[in-house]
Amino acid sequence: GESVGLHLPTLSVQEGDNSIINCAYSNSASDYFIWYKQESGKGPQFIIDIRSNMDKRQGQRVTVLLNKTVKHLSLQIAATQPGDSAVYFCAESGYSTLTFGKGTMLLVSP
Amino acid sequence: DAGVIQSPRHEVTEMGQEVTLRCKPISGHNSLFWYRQTMMRGLELLIYFNNNVPIDDSGMPEDRFSAKMPNASFSTLKIQPSEPRDSAVYFCASSLGRGNQPQHFGDGTRLSIL
Repeated sequence: GESVGLHLPTLSVQEGDNSIINCAYSNSASDYFIWYKQESGKGPQFIIDIRSNMDKRQGQRVTVLLNKTVKHLSLQIAATQPGDSAVYFCAESGYSTLTFGKGTMLLVSP
Repeated sequence: DAGVIQSPRHEVTEMGQEVTLRCKPISGHNSLFWYRQTMMRGLELLIYFNNNVPIDDSGMPEDRFSAKMPNASFSTLKIQPSEPRDSAVYFCASSLGRGNQPQHFGDGTRLSIL
């Protein structure tokens, strides 16, 4: 997993597997969290967000889990596909600006 | 739907030259953000505007950097004079509202200062 401010880890999975990308955030006052996907040569693309009054939110093939007790956020991708290969960033916010982690690279092999 | 549009996509120039990066936010969005991305420091917020007014420029590295938003559909980030350490990818993002909303990013300008 990743932690805001540390090196870029890599997660390698097989196509069809479920992927879990982790993020430890630092500010206990943060109340909004968001996951982005960044492909090479492109800008970060919004995946899913969650507010602090929730602990789970589901999208299409993705689920975000929030554990405020231990300040931990995770992104689960079901049935991972080669097109999911990218760098994934978590970000936290107290009001209007986002603080980004350094990212996790997801490599999906066929 | 048109997303955030940035230009140019790539810029290579010699140190000392003025560089101007441009951004057109998503129509209807009233918050605009400029970020810089490097391998060493990741994504850093430089400045953000709400309703065309600069709200927080504490991330602007030094006086060589300036940003303007003359209207709701256009913003510029200027570096004068440019230095090799300014080489990075610069992203513009916009969001609807000032509170916690998803920010939508452009595809960035890759800047190389020789």
